[in-house]
Amino acid sequence: DQQVKQNSPSLSVQEGRISILNCDYTNSMFDYFLWYKKYPAEGPTFLISISSIKDKNEDGRFTVFLNKSAKHLSLHIVPSQPGDSAVYFCAASGVRGKLIFGQGTELSVKP
Amino acid sequence: SQTIHQWPATLVQPVGSPLSLECTVEGTSNPNLYWYRQAAGRGLQLLFYSVGIGQISSEVPQNLSASRPQDRQFILSSKKLLLSDSGFYLCAWSDGTDEKLFFGSGTQLSVL
Repeated sequence: DQQVKQNSPSLSVQEGRISILNCDYTNSMFDYFLWYKKYPAEGPTFLISISSIKDKNEDGRFTVFLNKSAKHLSLHIVPSQPGDSAVYFCAASGVRGKLIFGQGTELSVKP
Repeated sequence: SQTIHQWPATLVQPVGSPLSLECTVEGTSNPNLYWYRQAAGRGLQLLFYSVGIGQISSEVPQNLSASRPQDRQFILSSKKLLLSDSGFYLCAWSDGTDEKLFFGSGTQLSVL
């Protein structure tokens, strides 16, 4: 049972344009959501998070939007840069300390 | 500052051989510790987590086991590896105050 789903395995965008990565979840008890970025052969690094009491959180070029009624969150990267090319994982938590990850979306930003 | 060390970076093992992956955290005390696995083309699956010495919770039945002999040391083991144990293994820690995890650099395990 996949509680956190990233339905797009890959995404390709042009440098300078917006990248939108999507994530859906099924468990309404999830109350904290995170995005991680992962380069090949490295561990994921924390990117940005959002609590369920908010619908938007912004950090520089990265913005996460949360739509609780739709059980959907998205990560916007504006403007996209070639260095943003990586696999992005969304994760959700409903029990303290336990994160459930999606399958990941591989973002390719072309110069 | 806190750091997490995980080794080895890559490992090739024959089927039926034992496994021991080690992870240590520095710069913090009483961390929550985790083992995740990323199989080829798949997401990150939580295997084990520990909130203290000797306290291990298993998330999925499998051929692996975990131990926490010291506060900041987490070990992933197997007595006999299977082909299906191949994958990218990640150790992570959190301070227990929120859900943010900090990951090690990972071990690519190939069972042949």
